[in-house]
Amino acid sequence: QSALTQPASVSGSPGQSITISCTGTSSDVGHYNLVSWYQQHPNKAPKLLIYEVSERPSEVSTRFSGSKSGNTASLTISGLQAEDEGDYYCCSHAGSSISVVFGGGTKLTVL
Amino acid sequence: QITLKESGPTLVKPTQTLTLTCTFSGFSLRTSGVGVGWIRQPPGKALEWLALISWDGDKHSSPSLKSRLTITSDISKTQAILTLTNMNPEDTATYYCAHFIVAAAFFDLWGQGALVTVSS
Repeated sequence: QSALTQPASVSGSPGQSITISCTGTSSDVGHYNLVSWYQQHPNKAPKLLIYEVSERPSEVSTRFSGSKSGNTASLTISGLQAEDEGDYYCCSHAGSSISVVFGGGTKLTVL
Repeated sequence: QITLKESGPTLVKPTQTLTLTCTFSGFSLRTSGVGVGWIRQPPGKALEWLALISWDGDKHSSPSLKSRLTITSDISKTQAILTLTNMNPEDTATYYCAHFIVAAAFFDLWGQGALVTVSS
């Protein structure tokens, strides 16, 4: 059960769109539509952004969207804002009933 | 309203056993379809899933820590308890508990986290 692969960092200017990838295997991301994404600001607990690949909790901005193709899931943030700066983590169901695996995290910098 | 809070020691010595308690409200571990998970984050590093316990009593632990980890719940089903044996400095981390939706495998609400330092 290896960690999912995310880019270490991405950046974008206010108003732009960015995409963060999350690559797993045919045993986790590729096998289940059970990918979730979390946002974490410094010294804060993670916050759920996306679940089941593309579903968004009602309180999360529509600027956040998720998708999946094969073994890779993606999080897109449109209309970048300064408050989006932080760390982003993907997570996938990994079989064995209810085990999960996280990605290595991506640091988003808003230029 | 669902809330979760971690409690336990802030400092443990190498080789000691860590016991952390997650006290939650707004649900219980008798609520169908839910669970409680433990996740940790070493300083400056990524999240790492540790263990899960679900409403039906099912328990799972990270394969890499399975031999050292135990997750249980209290008799009232309003606390989830994590035990990690043989602590070492690499176990220094912020430990989070989180409410888990079993069928969709995601953590929708998290505790504030508890920093545990392993040092002699």
